[in-house]
Amino acid sequence: GQNIDQPTEMTATEGAIVQINCTYQTSGFNGLFWYQQHAGEAPTFLSYNVLDGLEEKGRFSSFLSRSKGYSYLLLKELQMKDSASYLCAALDSNYQLIWGAGTKLIIKP
Amino acid sequence: GAVVSQHPSRVICKSGTSVKIECRSLDFQATTMFWYRQFPKKSLMLMATSNEGSKATYEQGVEKDKFLINHASLTLSTLTVTSAHPEDSSFYICSARDPGSSYNEQFFGPGTRLTVL
Repeated sequence: GQNIDQPTEMTATEGAIVQINCTYQTSGFNGLFWYQQHAGEAPTFLSYNVLDGLEEKGRFSSFLSRSKGYSYLLLKELQMKDSASYLCAALDSNYQLIWGAGTKLIIKP
Repeated sequence: GAVVSQHPSRVICKSGTSVKIECRSLDFQATTMFWYRQFPKKSLMLMATSNEGSKATYEQGVEKDKFLINHASLTLSTLTVTSAHPEDSSFYICSARDPGSSYNEQFFGPGTRLTVL
């Protein structure tokens, strides 16, 4: 079956760095997305990886290892507004998004 | 990025009534749109994939007759919750895939919070 695993909740301190891990098992693979979702709002796109390696975009970076079925989202210089849920989603061979349950990130002052 | 609108943003209705939610791609043509449902503190649950000009593909466990989907044009898909009941109360989100996007990402509408009394 197809499956995405990510931690349910993480806590970090303002100004620090946090890494949110995601492992996936899908029928075929056409890339991995990270989305941010604030409470009561729709998800917004953060990143997309289809090749191995690190993609950096400002304070956010995303890493992919296809051989390990593993990705992480790295958030630097954490701000209070980064408190949100972070959703990992893999695109399978049918270009269907398989969603993780999301990681709730709590930022403390 | 591409913009997807959704209307209404909130709706409160009585049990037994039907509610229609519209999803529009504003600056691109979306041959495929997706309807999700999200319960509090849970992830997105795909309900159905809506293809322009053809019948929607429903996920297992989603009642076709209860959640009617129409994708009549390349910029509009509608979800109608028929004979709504309190257990249908949820956050409904649509998304659309922009064929011109290099990432195959889905762009999400702002969501519709449905409360059935």
